[in-house]
Amino acid sequence: DSGVTQTPKHLITATGQRVTLRCSPRSGDLSVYWYQQSLDQGLQFLIQYYNGEERAKGNILERFSAQQFPDLHSELNLSSLELGDSALYFCASSVDQQQFFGPGTRLTVL
Amino acid sequence: GENVEQHPSTLSVQEGDSAVIKCTYSDSASNYFPWYKQELGKRPQLIIDIRSNVGEKKDQRIAVTLNKTAKHFSLHITETQPEDSAVYFCAASTSGNTPLVFGKGTRLSVIA
Repeated sequence: DSGVTQTPKHLITATGQRVTLRCSPRSGDLSVYWYQQSLDQGLQFLIQYYNGEERAKGNILERFSAQQFPDLHSELNLSSLELGDSALYFCASSVDQQQFFGPGTRLTVL
Repeated sequence: GENVEQHPSTLSVQEGDSAVIKCTYSDSASNYFPWYKQELGKRPQLIIDIRSNVGEKKDQRIAVTLNKTAKHFSLHITETQPEDSAVYFCAASTSGNTPLVFGKGTRLSVIA
């Protein structure tokens, strides 16, 4: 157990819908990262927050957004969902450079 | 930006043999190189990491080597066991609290 938690574990929804994925970092970690992993693919960095502020953006679509709250948990919002958005979504938190991943949310868009 | 290349994409070894996975990076400013193991449907797990001020690091059956001049680093697993079968990812980053750039992964199969 890495200490990073994510909910829900699984999410099944339809095209055009909007979902919210939640992540709680390890105690004391200020940075939260979101990654997308499609079937048999690598880990694509989406976005990073550090102590409530957006720190870095990767290959995140305009339909996707995120935020980090004062208690440091983070939410990733995915809207106007398409079939191709089906993937595992991981968050990770870090202190310094070591990143620890949560168990992921498997999103299936039908 | 940083680009990380990883080879091979698949690797099969007999139980007890060694496995080596290699990565190259492009940004000479990168100074942190972790390796993650991911079993099917599970989270990536940090198994070992190395910083640019060190050339080699070992932890039991796994070791990582770093050649800063050539900008490549490698994961070595000795005495492989079936439970080592997984996808292994290398990554690189330039400083604290920055995103990791991942290689595309190596699927390791250890045949009993």
